[in-house]
Amino acid sequence: KQEVTQIPAALSVPEGENLVLNCSFTDSAIYNLQWFRQDPGKGLTSLLLIQSSQREQTSGRLNASLDKSSGRSTLYIAASQPGDSATYLCAVKGTGFQKLVFGTGTRLLVSP
Amino acid sequence: EAGVVQSPRYKIIEKKQPVAFWCNPISGHNTLYWYRQNLGQGPELLIRYENEEAVDDSQLPKDRFSAERLKGVDSTLKIQPAELGDSAVYLCASSLGPSGGALPGELFFGEGSRLTVL
Repeated sequence: KQEVTQIPAALSVPEGENLVLNCSFTDSAIYNLQWFRQDPGKGLTSLLLIQSSQREQTSGRLNASLDKSSGRSTLYIAASQPGDSATYLCAVKGTGFQKLVFGTGTRLLVSP
Repeated sequence: EAGVVQSPRYKIIEKKQPVAFWCNPISGHNTLYWYRQNLGQGPELLIRYENEEAVDDSQLPKDRFSAERLKGVDSTLKIQPAELGDSAVYLCASSLGPSGGALPGELFFGEGSRLTVL
């Protein structure tokens, strides 16, 4: 059974800092990995999707990497802004049944 | 292009009452998912549809939950009767499926329906 863990559970940084969010998964037989952002009381917004054959994806100030062999992914946020404050969730889709398994998220607070 | 639309956004009911949630996926998305998210947790899959067919409903509590996706487009999730532990956010998502689109398998979520059972 796939298990997804995100560390840290919460993170508080001053504006302008570069930061890294971590995601680990137990079963390396994955189809893809997706990073989402969730604002309070809102649904999930897709940030980046990495296919199993890829090592990283970039979108603006965000960069996500994938290391299947070690069961890890990182989300790098450059030059953080207060508007980046949200909960970040990673989710892993396995091969075969295509079920997406979520981590519990990292709650990020970027202070001005 | 419209995203995934869900209604209602909020629902407060007393225990033992029925409740239904509606989802309209992104046009052309053949795969539809219902997730439940408890406070402080990641979403957990309840049921997945490929077109009209429920291909994964192993996590759906079938004694009180039911879902349907008529004509392979809109979907309804029903709870009858609701229990206190059903209080959560119910999220609907859709995707093109693993073989379609520039980003196959990418999920797009709606705003969710927040249920409070008193």
